[in-house]
Amino acid sequence: EDKVVQSPLSLVVHEGDTVTLNCSYEVTNFRSLLWYKQEKKAPTFLFMLTSSGIEKKSGRLSSILDKKELFSILNITATQTGDSAIYLCAVLNQAGTALIFGKGTTLSVSS
Amino acid sequence: DVKVTQSSRYLVKRTGEKVFLECVQDMDHENMFWYRQDPGLGLRLIYFSYDVKMKEKGDIPEGYSVSREKKERFSLILESASTNQTSMYLCASRSSTGTAYSNQPQHFGDGTRLSIL
Repeated sequence: EDKVVQSPLSLVVHEGDTVTLNCSYEVTNFRSLLWYKQEKKAPTFLFMLTSSGIEKKSGRLSSILDKKELFSILNITATQTGDSAIYLCAVLNQAGTALIFGKGTTLSVSS
Repeated sequence: DVKVTQSSRYLVKRTGEKVFLECVQDMDHENMFWYRQDPGLGLRLIYFSYDVKMKEKGDIPEGYSVSREKKERFSLILESASTNQTSMYLCASRSSTGTAYSNQPQHFGDGTRLSIL
């Protein structure tokens, strides 16, 4: 059975800290891995990773994929209270028809 | 920007009622999806649609049906609502143009928090 596992499930840090969120997967016919950020409403798209070893970066957020070891990490540097959210990792199957989601990591950043 | 609009943010219904959740997207996307999100379980796929009048079961289709009569609209139907269908329901859409293996991400609506009493 396909599965995506995120760790930790929750995390509390202070403003300015750097955090690393983990996502491992066992999915047949992998196509790509996606990260989303969910605050109170809709999950918003952060990154899509298809190739191993190529870092994607957007401001203080970055992510990388390891297709050999079947995992990805999402890094957030110099965290701010606005980074508090649920971070969702999802894997897209080869046909592009289905996203398999992990349970999410709830990040709380205190001032 | 892609806009996915769900008709209600909050909805309260009674057990046994037939419930309709509506989702509209404005980007001419072929693919549309319905998920439910529950604490500790994450997002689980209920149904998805490749294109108009096409639908496929996801991981948890029991107790639900869907309708896609027009490209921009994807409706989720709870045939006879039960308390275990109390949840947050999220709709998403995605473009699949270009190739059959499009790498476009899914874009989500704000969700409908449904309570069944």
